[in-house]
Amino acid sequence: AQSVTQPDIHITVSEGASLELRCNYSYGATPYLFWYVQSPGQGLQLLLKYFSGDTLVQGIKGFEAEFKRSQSSFNLRKPSVHWSDAAEYFCAGSYSGAGSYQLTFGKGTKLSVIP
Amino acid sequence: GAGVSQSPSNKVTEKGKDVELRCDPISGHTALYWYRQSLGQGLEFLIYFQGNSAPDKSGLPSDRFSAERTGGSVSTLTIQRTQQEDSAVYLCASSLGAGGAGEQFFGPGTRLTVL
Repeated sequence: AQSVTQPDIHITVSEGASLELRCNYSYGATPYLFWYVQSPGQGLQLLLKYFSGDTLVQGIKGFEAEFKRSQSSFNLRKPSVHWSDAAEYFCAGSYSGAGSYQLTFGKGTKLSVIP
Repeated sequence: GAGVSQSPSNKVTEKGKDVELRCDPISGHTALYWYRQSLGQGLEFLIYFQGNSAPDKSGLPSDRFSAERTGGSVSTLTIQRTQQEDSAVYLCASSLGAGGAGEQFFGPGTRLTVL
C-alpha cells in the first residue's frame, strides 16, 4: 500500500536560518506529491506540488521542494525562515491507481521558530 | 463562494447521538473529499464524490458513517450513534476534477467532540 513518511515530528529553527523538512514516499509508481501547511485552527493550504518534469518545484511563501526518485524523497526547503512560518507541515501523495486521487498524508512535522 | 466552507465549526455531542456535518465546496468543483484528522491517526481519507456519486468510500471506518452529495454541490457527512473515538476534526476538500493534477482546496474543518 502507498505510504508517506515524515521522519521528524517536531523541528525548531532560529529565525533567518535555513529549513529542510523530510518526506519519503512508497508507491508502486511515481505519485503526485504535495506539501501542505496548517496553521493553528486553520485548514490546509497548498505550498507546492510535483507531477512530472523538473524535479525542483517552487511554491508559495518562498518554499521549494526537490523530487529525488532514487531516494523516494520529496523534501521541502526554505533558505531563510520567518517567524510566521511556524506551523505544521504535511507531505502528501496521490496516484492514478487510486481512481479518486485521494491524498495519503504523512503524520506531519511541527515547525517552531525561535526569534 | 470564495472557498470551501464547513459547518458547524465546532460540534459537541453525547455518545450515542447522531451528528451531521456540512460541506459547501467551491462553485464548479466536481470532486469532493472528506478527510478526518485525529491525534492518533493523523489525516485519513474517508470518502470521495465525483458529482453526486461516491465511487470511493473505502476510508469510511464503519457503517455508522455515511455521506451524500446533492446537486453536485453541498455534501453532508453523517455519523450515527457517535462513539468517543469519533472525536476528531473532519475536513472537506474540493477540486475541479478527479485528475491527479487537480489541487484539493480544504475547508477549515469541523471539530467534533463526543462526550
